[in-house]
Amino acid sequence: AQKITQTQPGMFVQEKEAVTLDCTYDTSDQSYGLFWYKQPSSGEMIFLIYQGSYDEQNATEGRYSLNFQKARKSANLVISASQLGDSAMYFCAMSILTGGGNKLTFGTGTQLKVEL
Amino acid sequence: GAVVSQHPSRVICKSGTSVKIECRSLDFQATTMFWYRQFPKQSLMLMATSNEGSKATYEQGVEKDKFLINHASLTLSTLTVTSAHPEDSSFYICSASSRTAGTDTQYFGPGTRLTVL
Repeated sequence: AQKITQTQPGMFVQEKEAVTLDCTYDTSDQSYGLFWYKQPSSGEMIFLIYQGSYDEQNATEGRYSLNFQKARKSANLVISASQLGDSAMYFCAMSILTGGGNKLTFGTGTQLKVEL
Repeated sequence: GAVVSQHPSRVICKSGTSVKIECRSLDFQATTMFWYRQFPKQSLMLMATSNEGSKATYEQGVEKDKFLINHASLTLSTLTVTSAHPEDSSFYICSASSRTAGTDTQYFGPGTRLTVL
């Protein structure tokens, strides 16, 4: 069975600072994908970044980067130069390939608050 | 690209009635769509996987007769909550799978907040 663990229920960061949101995972599959999504108070889930288990380089997407440490089974999200609009719930998720497509298993989320 | 719409965004209904929620992929074709349920301050819980032209695959504990899923085309999946009760009140969110950067990425709709009185 797959499991995603996010140990930080809430995080605070000052505007323009960088912040790291932790995510660890557990799976016996060799091929998997790791995703981060942002959920503002409006409820929509916004795709941020993806890392494949065979990707050797850490994924980056604008101000978002994924610190992938396969041996430690961690996939932390780093947000650089935080903005007030980054305040939201952040979910880490892992995909496994099933007969009907890639199913996602989500962590419990981290509520990020960016302060002035 | 990869925009998913959901309708309605909010619905209030009486106990015993049925409610249909639509999920559409607007600018891509999605052979697979997913339906999730989210309780306040909790994570998303997968309810079912919907494949175009075939029966949906439900997760353990999800009543298939209660939550009817139809995926009639490559851009539309519907979730019908039949004989809704107050305990069905929740945030329902769909996603559609699109091949992006070498993997199937799920893009989510804006969600539907269902309140059953």
